[in-house]
Amino acid sequence: DAGVIQSPRHEVTEMGQEVTLRCKPISGHNSLFWYRQTMMRGLELLIYFNNNVPIDDSGMPEDRFSAKMPNASFSTLKIQPSEPRDSAVYFCASSLHGAGETQYFGPGTRLLVL
Amino acid sequence: AQRVTQPEKLLSVFKGAPVELKCNYSYSGSPELFWYVQYSRQRLQLLLRHISRESIKGFTADLNKGETSFHLKKPFAQEEDSAMYYCALNNAGNMLTFGGGTRLMVKP
Repeated sequence: DAGVIQSPRHEVTEMGQEVTLRCKPISGHNSLFWYRQTMMRGLELLIYFNNNVPIDDSGMPEDRFSAKMPNASFSTLKIQPSEPRDSAVYFCASSLHGAGETQYFGPGTRLLVL
Repeated sequence: AQRVTQPEKLLSVFKGAPVELKCNYSYSGSPELFWYVQYSRQRLQLLLRHISRESIKGFTADLNKGETSFHLKKPFAQEEDSAMYYCALNNAGNMLTFGGGTRLMVKP
């Protein structure tokens, strides 16, 4: 298994543009997590899915952020419109079931919004 | 609300010296605590969890409920231990809260 796959690995965009980040969890994992990492705030949980259903999105910063998981093998995190303060590394992680199980992280997407 | 605090952003030690990365938490329930590590150019990965009570790569961590701490320790640091270390707390809602992280630098 290649582990959690994220794309793109790097994204540079201009303020106001739509950004879509993608994640493929490990096959057989029921839980998927999106995190954002910044120097100022560290690693923050944005949203958590269990069996493709969003369980808690209280970490999503504002309405510009949205996440979907249309099936067990794919999830997207969308920012529309993007702003410079959204610049960060976005990680996707998956686990067998819930945060109590070991979470396996993807390589991250480094986003820069100019 | 739960919170995880790692008071040191950077910890620098010499090879062979003992190392302790501090982690304090606040949580009203029964905590489940983890240490995750990110080596240079590698993914964030689980190092150890308190319920396993195991030693991984020479590291141990003991949950001290009285002091609400889960410090990570190693008696003799190695250069390959240089990495970013995150303490994390799992609450009953199955959400992981991470501390701010501590960068460990082990000098030769």
